Amino acid sequence: TQLLEQSPQFLSIQEGENLTVYCNSSSVFSSLQWYRQEPGEGPVLLVTVVTGGEVKKLKRLTFQFGDARKDSSLHITAAQPGDTGLYLCAGGGSWGGSQGNLIFGKGTKLSVKP
Amino acid sequence: NAGVTQTPKFQVLKTGQSMTLQCAQDMNHEYMSWYRQDPGMGLRLIHYSVGAGITDQGEVPNGYNVSRSTTEDFPLRLLSAAPSQTSVYFCASSYGGAYEQFFGPGTRLTVL
Repeated sequence: TQLLEQSPQFLSIQEGENLTVYCNSSSVFSSLQWYRQEPGEGPVLLVTVVTGGEVKKLKRLTFQFGDARKDSSLHITAAQPGDTGLYLCAGGGSWGGSQGNLIFGKGTKLSVKP
Repeated sequence: NAGVTQTPKFQVLKTGQSMTLQCAQDMNHEYMSWYRQDPGMGLRLIHYSVGAGITDQGEVPNGYNVSRSTTEDFPLRLLSAAPSQTSVYFCASSYGGAYEQFFGPGTRLTVL
């Protein structure tokens, strides 16, 4: 069974702090997606990384895919209360291209206090 | 475009009752799926479909039934509800299983 381990599970920080969330696996994935979910809503895609070593930036969020495509990280600079939510990573394409299903991590619940 | 819609938003059932959670999408996606989300467990795949007339089991299919008669609709049926099925259920659609998933707003189900 392929697993994606996310850490930390919970994170509570003050506005303005920096933070990093990790997503690790023993399996290689052809792509890694990051979603954010707000209370009472479905997850929404933030970014997809597909190349080993790839770095993508989305305003204050920086996403990195590990060189071996087994791990990924999400770094938030100067966190704001609007960043509060559940962050989920999901790995895809490890076992047959687009016909495979995504494997989701259990998520990191982030709370940013003013 | 409405995207992915789910009904109802909330539902309370008694043990043994049956019900259908509705899901529809207007993006002409071939791939649709159902997930359940429980505290500390992330999203777990229940059933999925790669096109009309084709369905398959995911990680946690027991107690659930699906069918896909049209591209747009993918209902999830609970045959005989159990308290262990208390959860939040999300429907999603996409171009393929490993592509970006577009999620509905979820149905919060409580089984007493």
